[in-house]
Amino acid sequence: AQTVTQSQPEMSVQEAETVTLSCTYDTSESNYYLFWYKQPPSRQMILVIRQEAYKQQNATENRFSVNFQKAAKSFSLKISDSQLGDTAMYFCAFMKHLPRVFGKGTKLTVNP
Amino acid sequence: DSGVTQTPKHLITATGQRVTLRCSPRSGDLSVYWYQQSLDQGLQFLIQYYNGEERAKGNILERFSAQQFPDLHSELNLSSLELGDSALYFCASSVQSTTPYEQYFGPGTRLTVT
Repeated sequence: AQTVTQSQPEMSVQEAETVTLSCTYDTSESNYYLFWYKQPPSRQMILVIRQEAYKQQNATENRFSVNFQKAAKSFSLKISDSQLGDTAMYFCAFMKHLPRVFGKGTKLTVNP
Repeated sequence: DSGVTQTPKHLITATGQRVTLRCSPRSGDLSVYWYQQSLDQGLQFLIQYYNGEERAKGNILERFSAQQFPDLHSELNLSSLELGDSALYFCASSVQSTTPYEQYFGPGTRLTVT
């Protein structure tokens, strides 16, 4: 069974700085999808970014980018120019077939 | 706003009781997923329905059941509630059930069992 590990339960960063959240996963599959979700205090789960494993190019969405290392089974999220609104829980998720497997999350606090 | 609605937002009930959580998917989405998020835990997949039929099952307890109706809304029934069932329950929907399609999450129902 696939597992997703987020080794940083909590992180903090100063506004305007860059922070990287770690995620590792375990799978024997070669084609799959990886996701980062944001859950702000409102509790809404919001998709931040998605990566297809067959694509070598790292996905980017504005200030959010990933470092996808397939051989190392690593999928980290980099947030540039951190903003107060980035304060949230961040979940990494893996999907080949159902179900989508989520990590336990990293609580990110952006300080003014 | 994802377009997925869940009711109620909050629910407080006693042990041993039964509750029903309701989810309306985004317009046009045929697939509905239920997840449980306990304190300090990630999301645990419970069950998926596609166009009225059960498509996948996760670690859903036998005390829990779900269904998807012809109008595509879904209900999650939780019975013989225990303190440990206190959690945030999310519904998500997608156009199809296959891998590439994104899931859109509702705002969740917070269940507190006392």
